[in-house]
Formats: sequence, structure tokens, C-alpha cells
Amino acid sequence: EPEVTQTPSHQVTQMGQEVILRCVPISNHLYFYWYRQILGQKVEFLVSFYNNEISEKSEIFDDQFSVERPDGSNFTLKIRSTKLEDSAMYFCASSGNQPQHFGDGTRLSIL
Amino acid sequence: GESVGLHLPTLSVQEGDNSIINCAYSNSASDYFIWYKQESGKGPQFIIDIRSNMDKRQGQRVTVLLNKTVKHLSLQIAATQPGDSAVYFCAENGKGGGYNKLIFGAGTRLAVHP
Repeated sequence: EPEVTQTPSHQVTQMGQEVILRCVPISNHLYFYWYRQILGQKVEFLVSFYNNEISEKSEIFDDQFSVERPDGSNFTLKIRSTKLEDSAMYFCASSGNQPQHFGDGTRLSIL
Repeated sequence: GESVGLHLPTLSVQEGDNSIINCAYSNSASDYFIWYKQESGKGPQFIIDIRSNMDKRQGQRVTVLLNKTVKHLSLQIAATQPGDSAVYFCAENGKGGGYNKLIFGAGTRLAVHP
């Protein structure tokens, strides 16, 4: 069964550094998403992406965040200058019409 | 406003019993609802979904019920097994379809005891 894959599984970064989280969505999906989950809390929407542009973004997704689909298979989330409060699990998801399918996430730890 | 919440943070059941996990939503414009299972260290795994033009949908050992009058969603798991132990999230898609953002509830932990 096709699945969403994310790398790395765990990323440790110094505060203020840039980080790029990578995702390979399911191959025939056209809609892509990033969510985050702070430890012990619910999953929160960050951004959705379709047809090479952002469809919707949340208040969390400020100017420090960006997304890109650099080729036909990868979907990336970049945080330009990380803050302590960016520490969380970051989940990529993709969908055709529905439902959204999630990867197993990248745990981002900011020191 | 937009919010999806859960009544019970933890549900403990005996193996073989049926489990019912509840969820309340507040966005009356929502027309698509979905249940996910999240095991430790993994991402949300799709279980079952339902559109607002239905009030019941069945899958393998799972049933989702939707009561639009009181804005309530439930997930029923038949013959609960130890492998069902996980956190269960309901989510709504306020604008309809699967390509819009999902608004997740807080989650319910299901603990299955032998």
C-alpha cells in the first residue's frame, strides 16, 4: 500500500538555525499538507499546497516558514530561524480527493 | 468558531468488549468528518470517514455515527483487541472535501486490557 514517507525521523538543531523537513507524498496525490503536534497536544494544521502554490495557511505558519515542491516527488517544509517553541512532531500528509494520509513524522528538537 | 473536542481523555476496556469514543464538533458548516488512530511514535492512521449526508458508516469492526442535530460524532470498535490500544482523534473539514485543512480534536486514549 502506498504511503507518505518523511525524513529525517529525528532532527536536532540549534536555535536560530535553518531546518528543512522532507516528505515524499503518495505518488498520484495532488494535495499536500504540513501539520505539527507539540508533545501531548492535538495535531495542528500548518499549511496546504496545491498546484504549486499555498492554498491555505494557519497563524502558526508565519514568515519563518516556507514550503516547496522542488521536483515531482518531494515536498519540503523549511523553518528559516528556529525557535525553542518550534520543537514538535511535524507531519506531512497528502490526498487525492480524500482522505488525507499521514507520514510518521519528523521529531524536531530545538536546543 | 472552529473547534472539535472529545468528551473522554482516556477509555479503558476489556479485550473483546465494544468501545465507543465520542467527539463533539462546533462548526455547523462542517460536512466531512474523519477518525484517525495514532500509535506511539507514528503518524495518524486513517480509520474511517463520513460525509454529513450520512448518519452511519461501517467499516471492518468499526462504525462511525454522526448526529448533526447535536453536532456529535462517535467511533464504535467491535470486539476490541490489544492492537486497538492507541490515541484516537476525530477531525472535521469545515469546507468539505478532503483537500482542505483538517481540524483535530484533543484525542482519546484507548487502553485495552486482557
